[in-house]
This record gives sequence, structure tokens and C-alpha cells, in this order.
Amino acid sequence: AQKVTQAQTEISVVEKEDVTLDCVYETRDTTYYLFWYKQPPSGELVFLIRRNSFDEQNEISGRYSWNFQKSTSSFNFTITASQVVDSAVYFCALSEASGNQFYFGTGTSLTVIP
Amino acid sequence: EPEVTQTPSHQVTQMGQEVILRCVPISNHLYFYWYRQILGQKVEFLVSFYNNEISEKSEIFDDQFSVERPDGSNFTLKIRSTKLEDSAMYFCASRLGFGSSYEQYFGPGTRLTVT
Repeated sequence: AQKVTQAQTEISVVEKEDVTLDCVYETRDTTYYLFWYKQPPSGELVFLIRRNSFDEQNEISGRYSWNFQKSTSSFNFTITASQVVDSAVYFCALSEASGNQFYFGTGTSLTVIP
Repeated sequence: EPEVTQTPSHQVTQMGQEVILRCVPISNHLYFYWYRQILGQKVEFLVSFYNNEISEKSEIFDDQFSVERPDGSNFTLKIRSTKLEDSAMYFCASRLGFGSSYEQYFGPGTRLTVT
């Protein structure tokens, strides 16, 4: 069975601090895809990143970076120099090889305090 | 940039009434999905749809739910007789389906309130 765990329910940081959001997943598939989505207060889901199971390279995009480690089944997300606009709920998700279903974690609510 | 659209943005209905939530997926996408998010909870998969039929559905997607692609553009979710616990945000998503693009593009959601 597929499962995504985001143990951090809520995180508060002061602006300009770095923050890491944890994501641990479970799957029996050898091919799978991992995602991060941002859900701002307006409610929509904003795609941030997709990572294939066979590509363990870490990725950096501006202030965002992702650390994928198959050995620990983790796909953590770091925001560097956080800003108030980063305040949102962040969801980690897992998709099986067929891409037919997404399994979302319970989300981490990030509040960046000015 | 192409995007998934959903109407209405907010729907209020009385318990027992039928509702239809509408979605227009990205035009060249082949796979379509509905998800539900009860307030403050995680996003839950309801159903996936490909080639004019359901390809997968979750336990949540019982006989009260149905999906349809009535024409070449719309993708609808019908709830036959709404219950209070159907109150949630409903997200539509679509996926291209070719190559390695497994990314699902989500619509802005429809907030359903059942009173």
C-alpha cells in the first residue's frame, strides 16, 4: 500500500530563517513519482516539483531545494530565507507508476512571521 | 498557459439534493481525476477517468457518485443525494499521459457546502 507521512503538522518560522518540511513515503513499487504542492490560503493546489524514483539528484530552484533519499524513503523540502508569502500548507504526494492515483500526505502548515 | 478550470467556485446545497460539479481539463490531456479535501484535512483521491471510462476509484467513490465526460471538453462529478459529510473542496485534475509526464494539473477547486 502507498502511504505518505508528513509528521510536522504546523511549523512557524521568523522571516529569513530556513525551514525544512519532512516527507516520508512507503511504496512497494520500484517506479514511482514524488511531488510537492503548495496550497495557499486561497485554496488552490500549486505544483512545485516532481521527482522520479530513479533520479536521486537533489534539485534547487531559487530559494527552494529538495532532498530525495531512497535509502530512507524521504523527500524533504527546504525553503531558504523564508518569506511571508511562503506561508501556506505544503503537501507531499506519491504517484504509482501508472500515474493514476496520487496519495497525499496530511500536509504541513507553514507560517512565516514577519 | 493552459489551465484546468472548475465551476462553480462555491456551491451551497441542501442535504438530499443532487449536485453537479464541472471541470474543463487542459485540452490535449487524456486522463482526468477528481479529489476531495475536507476542511483542514488531506487531499483524497476519488476517481480517475480515461478513454471514457473509470480506470480507478477509491472507497469514497460509492454509488452516490458518478463521473461523465459529456462532450469533448467538460468532465463532471455528480453527487446524487448529498449528505452533510460531502461538504468539502473538490479538485479536478488532468494529465497529459504521454511520455514521462506524470504531473497532474489541478483546478482551483469547488467548495461544496451541504446544509
